[in-house]
Amino acid sequence: DTGVSQNPRHKITKRGQNVTFRCDPISEHNRLYWYRQTLGQGPEFLTYFQNEAQLEKSRLLSDRFSAERPKGSFSTLEIQRTEQGDSAMYLCASSLWVYAGLSSYEQYFGPGTRLTVT
Amino acid sequence: AQSVTQLGSHVSVSEGALVLLRCNYSSSVPPYLFWYVQYPNQGLQLLLKYTSAATLVKGINGFEAEFKKSETSFHLTKPSAHMSDAAEYFCAVSEGDFNKFYFGSGTKLNVKP
Repeated sequence: DTGVSQNPRHKITKRGQNVTFRCDPISEHNRLYWYRQTLGQGPEFLTYFQNEAQLEKSRLLSDRFSAERPKGSFSTLEIQRTEQGDSAMYLCASSLWVYAGLSSYEQYFGPGTRLTVT
Repeated sequence: AQSVTQLGSHVSVSEGALVLLRCNYSSSVPPYLFWYVQYPNQGLQLLLKYTSAATLVKGINGFEAEFKKSETSFHLTKPSAHMSDAAEYFCAVSEGDFNKFYFGSGTKLNVKP
């Protein structure tokens, strides 16, 4: 078990450019979550997948944001036409969800991708 | 909707002193509660969790938390602070289906020698 990994760890981009982040969850975990954390704040939920299905998206996830988990394994988060307000740490987490209350409940977080938009 | 309030964005204690980090939540359903720790430029590491079993929960690194339904609180404590405890701590509450967490704004713990 190598934990949740995220790439890249840091990304600096110019306003208006597109960026894509990747998250590799713990291998047996069927749920994958994306959060955004700005300076001095706790993480805010963006979206989550169960296997390959995207089950919920936050209002924070504007049309410029898209997330995929095509084969139920790794996930990508793309931001189009980046704005300075997109500068934040993007955190990925995974968990094992089992029907009928047998889940382990906690989410395991990756190290995050820090995005800076100049 | 669920929410979490962490009183005190910064807490400073001396090494060896009691650590108390406060967390209050609001929830329309029985909550599941978590404390995570974050070191600079790193992700979040789970300290402990409450999932409707024992109300006093013990976690890693000597931390523990007590779920008090009447006070809607889940405060984090450690009897004796260590320099390595200096970090930011987040309290989180999840909805019944554990599909997302709501985090507090965090408390930065400073430990003075």
